[in-house]
Amino acid sequence: DAMVIQNPRYQVTQFGKPVTLSCSQTLNHNVMYWYQQKSSQAPKLLFHYYDKDFNNEADTPDNFQSRRPNTSFCFLDIRSPGLGDAAMYLCATSREASDLYEQYFGPGTRLTVT
Amino acid sequence: TQLLEQSPQFLSIQEGENLTVYCNSSSVFSSLQWYRQEPGEGPVLLVTVVTGGEVKKLKRLTFQFGDARKDSSLHITAAQPGDTGLYLCAGGGSGNTGKLIFGQGTTLQVKP
Repeated sequence: DAMVIQNPRYQVTQFGKPVTLSCSQTLNHNVMYWYQQKSSQAPKLLFHYYDKDFNNEADTPDNFQSRRPNTSFCFLDIRSPGLGDAAMYLCATSREASDLYEQYFGPGTRLTVT
Repeated sequence: TQLLEQSPQFLSIQEGENLTVYCNSSSVFSSLQWYRQEPGEGPVLLVTVVTGGEVKKLKRLTFQFGDARKDSSLHITAAQPGDTGLYLCAGGGSGNTGKLIFGQGTTLQVKP
């Protein structure tokens, strides 16, 4: 089945220690998104790639970076995690932007910062 | 700036009861989606509505898009414990950027 996969599902890191979260997709969608979600809140968009074009949200901290080496993979790098970065991180994909805006989410990575 | 106001934010009901969740905006959206998210998982797309006045049904769930495409509702008939989760409405942003505008979410708990 075509899907969005996130690894790992749970990640524990220490304050200030860099961490990388990964996302892969078999949907062959050209748009990929990274969201941060805190408990029972709506997901907050961090950035997205339209093919190789990177689009950063204005309020995304510089601490968060992303890479997309090819269509299938996208990575979220947190350079110096703080306690406030503990959250669920969601990857999503969509086909080329259209009026439908349908996004398909992965299961998420729960990040704990100690 | 486009905003979606979702209500109620929390809902705790008994199995068998009916409920409605609302999503309202002063802006027109080209499409609107409803997602359900279970604890520890990513949101799952339930439905997309596109046409003003459109009604879609998914088993016990009924989705409606307002005539002016500014609001939407989700009605659940005879709720079951398996319906428990976070319900999110999301609309396509302006300028066809592919970005979604999310409502604040509704946490639904259905007690047996």
